[in-house]
Order: sequence, then structure tokens, then C-alpha cells
Amino acid sequence: DSGVTQTPKHLITATGQRVTLRCSPRSGDLSVYWYQQSLDQGLQFLIQYYNGEERAKGNILERFSAQQFPDLHSELNLSSLELGDSALYFCASSPMTGEDTEAFFGQGTRLTVV
Amino acid sequence: AQKITQTQPGMFVQEKEAVTLDCTYDTSDPSYGLFWYKQPSSGEMIFLIYQGSYDQQNATEGRYSLNFQKARKSANLVISASQLGDSAMYFCAMREGLMDSNYQLIWGAGTKLIIKP
Repeated sequence: DSGVTQTPKHLITATGQRVTLRCSPRSGDLSVYWYQQSLDQGLQFLIQYYNGEERAKGNILERFSAQQFPDLHSELNLSSLELGDSALYFCASSPMTGEDTEAFFGQGTRLTVV
Repeated sequence: AQKITQTQPGMFVQEKEAVTLDCTYDTSDPSYGLFWYKQPSSGEMIFLIYQGSYDQQNATEGRYSLNFQKARKSANLVISASQLGDSAMYFCAMREGLMDSNYQLIWGAGTKLIIKP
């Protein structure tokens, strides 16, 4: 158990809908990262938050947004869903002390858009 | 250009044999870190081993070792005495800019390893 909790584990929704994925980082970790793993694009970095502020942005679509709350949990919002958004979405956390040698991953949320 | 290249889409290995999974990387940053993760069929991402660009010795973690050849820009994962439970996807990843706040990982396409009994 990595200590990172993601909910829900599975999500099935229709095209055009909006969903929210939730992540609770390891206790004490200030930084949260979101990654998307799809069959055609592999693993891609989406966005990083550090202590409530956006720190880095990757290949995140405009239809997607994220935030990190004061209690450090994070949510990834996906809207106007398309079939191609079906993927495994990972959240990871790290303390970001400058010597991090590992990011701890949650079990992922498998999103299926039908 | 691909920053992380894993040239082996799939491998079959006999149980108890050693296996080497290839990873080459491309970066001009002198400060970077290389990671290997295992992803079993259940989907979770499990950290295996880390090598920093300034580390003098190759990293080892139990049955896992990293064959780091900096001049060749390769960071191959070696699994000794393979077990059936090692069957999984294996991903090589890189983090550039260790001296700043860039913590995002860049991933290879993965290698599917199947251990035969």
C-alpha cells in the first residue's frame, strides 16, 4: 500500500458527461501529480500541484482541470467527455524535499467513456 | 525525439533466469533521475528502483539492480532469479532538472515481461 488513495476505482460514464476523480496523497506529501495512461498515448503527465498551487502543466486538455485543497487532497475534473478519454488516471504524491527519489502512486481510477 | 526508449515490447523468460530490460534516455540536463516501475495486471504502479545522474554506484534493491551506463545513456533493469510474480509491464521513467522544481516523470512505452514456469 503506497499510502495514496484514489477514488473511485472504476467509473463508467457517457460521452459529454463530466466526472471528478479524487486523490488523497500520503500523509505529509505536499505535492500531487496526475498522470493519464491510455492505450494509444501511453503514460502522460497531466499536471502537478504543490501545497495548493499549480506547479507544472503537461499534456492536459482544456476540458480537464484540477485543484488541490487546503487539506492537500486533489481533484481532477474531466468534462465534455469523449471516447478517447477512456484511460487509467493515476495520482502520485511526493514530499518534494529536493531529494525525492520516488513518487508514490495510487491504484488509479479506470475511466470508461461509452 | 523520444526521451525514453524501451525497445523490447515484450519478453518471455524462463523462471529463475535473470532478465535484463532495456532503457535508453535522451536529455541534455546534467541533473536527472531514472526510475523503474512495475505495473501488474491489476493496474497499480509499483516503484522498483531509482538512479540519480550523479550517483557513483549502480542502484540495487533486492533482486533488482540498475545497470547505469551514463555515457551510453542507458539504464537497464536487471532482475535476478526471476519469479512467476515478476510477470508484469515494466516502465522506465526519467525526471529532469533535479535541482529545480520539475518533478514530472517522462515515461517509456513499457516492456511486457512474461515469466514461464
